[in-house]
Amino acid sequence: ILNVEQSPQSLHVQEGDSTNFTCSFPSSNFYALHWYRWETAKSPEALFVMTLNGDEKKKGRISATLNTKEGYSYLYIKGSQPEDSATYLCAPRNSGYSTLTFGKGTMLLVSP
Amino acid sequence: DAGVIQSPRHEVTEMGQEVTLRCKPISGHNSLFWYRQTMMRGLELLIYFNNNVPIDDSGMPEDRFSAKMPNASFSTLKIQPSEPRDSAVYFCASSLNREPNQPQHFGDGTRLSIL
Repeated sequence: ILNVEQSPQSLHVQEGDSTNFTCSFPSSNFYALHWYRWETAKSPEALFVMTLNGDEKKKGRISATLNTKEGYSYLYIKGSQPEDSATYLCAPRNSGYSTLTFGKGTMLLVSP
Repeated sequence: DAGVIQSPRHEVTEMGQEVTLRCKPISGHNSLFWYRQTMMRGLELLIYFNNNVPIDDSGMPEDRFSAKMPNASFSTLKIQPSEPRDSAVYFCASSLNREPNQPQHFGDGTRLSIL
């Protein structure tokens, strides 16, 4: 199984705070990294798919960066809002595995 | 545009019974994935199909689990006989193809409880 680590496991911030979390994965034979947003009682939704070292993606207040050489990706949320409360999953794919391996996620709670 | 459709949404049954979960992928998607979500293991891949053919079933826990995809618009995950430790949320997802840059689209899941 591909070793995927996400930190922190959970995070509680106040509305308006900016926050970031980390996804670490083996750097060898990298193919792609996906980020998903998973709200409680719903299903995971794709946020970003990143393939190149140095990639930066942005969707509204959420952005992500990718470092394939050292095997990590950061997800940033600027000015967190209560509706950002969710679990954020990363899922890399390396050539030794036929599909994505999901991390256990970072659970974000944004209080008003 | 309909997303991935799973049924039933909830299933409660007694141990030993056969359980069948169903999934309709997004039209035109040719890769389909079955996942199981538990507190201990998170989201783990059970099996995935490409063009209706099972590609990787290494995540299927044991012989009690089986999955089929008879056509491009339908897949089933069957557990027979079911056991209490099978209780979990089961998700189906589909993607346009198995290329690594294609996102997966998830259904709403089936919450399974085995008593």
